[in-house]
Amino acid sequence: EVQLVESGGGLVQPGGSLRLSCTASGFNFSVYEMNWVRQAPGKGLEWISYITSSGVTIYYADSVKGRFTISRDNARGSLYLQMNSLRAEDTAVYYCARRIYFDSWGQGTLVTVSS
Amino acid sequence: QSVLTQPPSASGTPGQRVTISCSGSSSNIGSNSVSWYQQLPGRAPKLLVYRNDHRPSGVPDRFSGSKSGTSASLAISGLRSEDEADYYCATWADSLSGPMVFGGGTKLTVL
Repeated sequence: EVQLVESGGGLVQPGGSLRLSCTASGFNFSVYEMNWVRQAPGKGLEWISYITSSGVTIYYADSVKGRFTISRDNARGSLYLQMNSLRAEDTAVYYCARRIYFDSWGQGTLVTVSS
Repeated sequence: QSVLTQPPSASGTPGQRVTISCSGSSSNIGSNSVSWYQQLPGRAPKLLVYRNDHRPSGVPDRFSGSKSGTSASLAISGLRSEDEADYYCATWADSLSGPMVFGGGTKLTVL
């Protein structure tokens, strides 16, 4: 069974940093592209970052470009999102999702940016 | 304001057929395939349709997708109370906001 489990969320002050992790199991993580998608409270889904299976090609949404960094460790079956210079508007549930059409999702981890 | 436009709400009675639209442009839907997601309250989204009209295994054939030009649609037939959820379309886009975009979402109410 495909499983994606996010972790690392929590409360952080504006301007702070946080690193999210997504641990994959039940499939060969190293051959799949991955994404991060977020959802602010009461709002819709927002794609924020994509990484190919090798990690060579990476894309970001304009809203996080220059502040967030996606990476992966295929040996560990893990996807990461380093979030710096956090703002109140980054408050959201963060999901990792597999493939360009998001065929599997984790349960999400909540990030709250507040003083 | 999303690049892909969906109606904010839709409704139907049990057994009815409901259609949710997703309107884009030549730079997104017009040149890329569309996927659809169902998000039940308090849950993570779930893939319903990919590559315009393909259903993953386990998704009932009551759900069907289509695309024509710069628009796409999700049809739900034989509506059930458990279909009450938020529905999102998504596609690749040649957009300044990033290469992948979601629609704003449609809240489906089963009356």
